[in-house]
Amino acid sequence: SAVISQKPSRDICQRGTSLTIQCQVDSQVTMMFWYRQQPGQSLTLIATANQGSEATYESGFVIDKFPISRPNLTFSTLTVSNLSPEDSSIYLCSVGTGTQETQYFGPGTRLLVL
Amino acid sequence: GENVEQHPSTLSVQEGDSAVIKCTYSDSASNYFPWYKQELGKRPQLIIDIRSNVGEKKDQRIAVTLNKTAKHFSLHITETQPEDSAVYFCAASHNFGNEKLTFGTGTRLTIIP
Repeated sequence: SAVISQKPSRDICQRGTSLTIQCQVDSQVTMMFWYRQQPGQSLTLIATANQGSEATYESGFVIDKFPISRPNLTFSTLTVSNLSPEDSSIYLCSVGTGTQETQYFGPGTRLLVL
Repeated sequence: GENVEQHPSTLSVQEGDSAVIKCTYSDSASNYFPWYKQELGKRPQLIIDIRSNVGEKKDQRIAVTLNKTAKHFSLHITETQPEDSAVYFCAASHNFGNEKLTFGTGTRLTIIP
């Protein structure tokens, strides 16, 4: 399976600021996804990061709040903009290899907004 | 879109007994059903998965069953051990890991020594 890293692993931010999260994979992957896991909750897909084109957002998530980049097949960033305490969550990237395998998750970024 | 329901939300089981977690899905186009285990502060880890052309799959103490007609699938853990304590999530997808996963709400499993 792919080895996935995320930076930062955790951060504390002030409201109104932004945080950019990086996801790096050790091999080229077809699909990259960004999920949010609010405290004590399940995982909710924010968007699919498309290489070379705009991300595909799920209902309730918008590009202005969660801009995503995917410049190549091994790297993606998620920015959480104009932070509020409600954005305090774990943000996880995941990858699909394009084969008949499951998605593998990065270690997550734990965000606390004060 | 897909909706996945998961029950129970919490489950306490005596060590050595069996645990069963059940999920239902709404989209008949879903064909891939993974189960993830998430320990506190860790990422979700795949423990077993099943594809729509299979009714049952087993891996040591863990098994998953799928009923496509009824649109439900279940996780069975036998001979439970303290290290099985975690939150378990079921999920559904149209195309293995290559399309979005829709997750259930999770089950917190506690194994009582």
